[in-house]
Amino acid sequence: DTAVSQTPKYLVTQMGNDKSIKCEQNLGHDTMYWYKQDSKKFLKIMFSYNNKELIINETVPNRFSPKSPDKAHLNLHINSLELGDSAVYFCASSQDLGTGTNEKLFFGSGTQLSVL
Amino acid sequence: KNQVEQSPQSLIILEGKNCTLQCNYTVSPFSNLRWYKQDTGRGPVSLTIMTFSENTKSNGRYTATLDADTKQSSLHITASQLSDSASYICVVSAGFGNEKLTFGTGTRLTIIP
Repeated sequence: DTAVSQTPKYLVTQMGNDKSIKCEQNLGHDTMYWYKQDSKKFLKIMFSYNNKELIINETVPNRFSPKSPDKAHLNLHINSLELGDSAVYFCASSQDLGTGTNEKLFFGSGTQLSVL
Repeated sequence: KNQVEQSPQSLIILEGKNCTLQCNYTVSPFSNLRWYKQDTGRGPVSLTIMTFSENTKSNGRYTATLDADTKQSSLHITASQLSDSASYICVVSAGFGNEKLTFGTGTRLTIIP
């Protein structure tokens, strides 16, 4: 069974469109995240949710809106897509907020978003 | 500014050989340092996590070292296998909480038969 699964794997769309990426984890974790990996392979956190509550929102345009219907799901909706949004988006989860020194992050396989 | 730098950017070695990847960081306050393996088209997978008081940790053929004084870490891979071909990412935590992680850009390792 896949621990953290996200769909779709690939997403190709035109500028200005609205799209969503879904993420689900079956690990029973309380915290979920969205990361963006740019063309230089640099991973940067976008959002962090703990028990369906937003914990952190990094400097992300408000065109990006995460939604957590329950603690096992964290979806990412993107409005008015721009060329610069092209990247790989990773969902991740951890047992808690990562306050333990041995906190592990479990990542999904990523969604490659290409905006044309 | 918190930064994590890794070297080399890429590395090619023959199957069966050993290799060492380097990580230098300027992250404060320091909580822990992690190494992740990222296969092509997949998400990163945790290999090791080390706190300030730990200077070495092993996971099978992977051994990570940490020198908190010089702010350096290394990942040593022994008897490399084709399946070790991946990007290896060094991640440093500034304080507690996964939102405080700073990621390096990784070392792309290729094992050739």
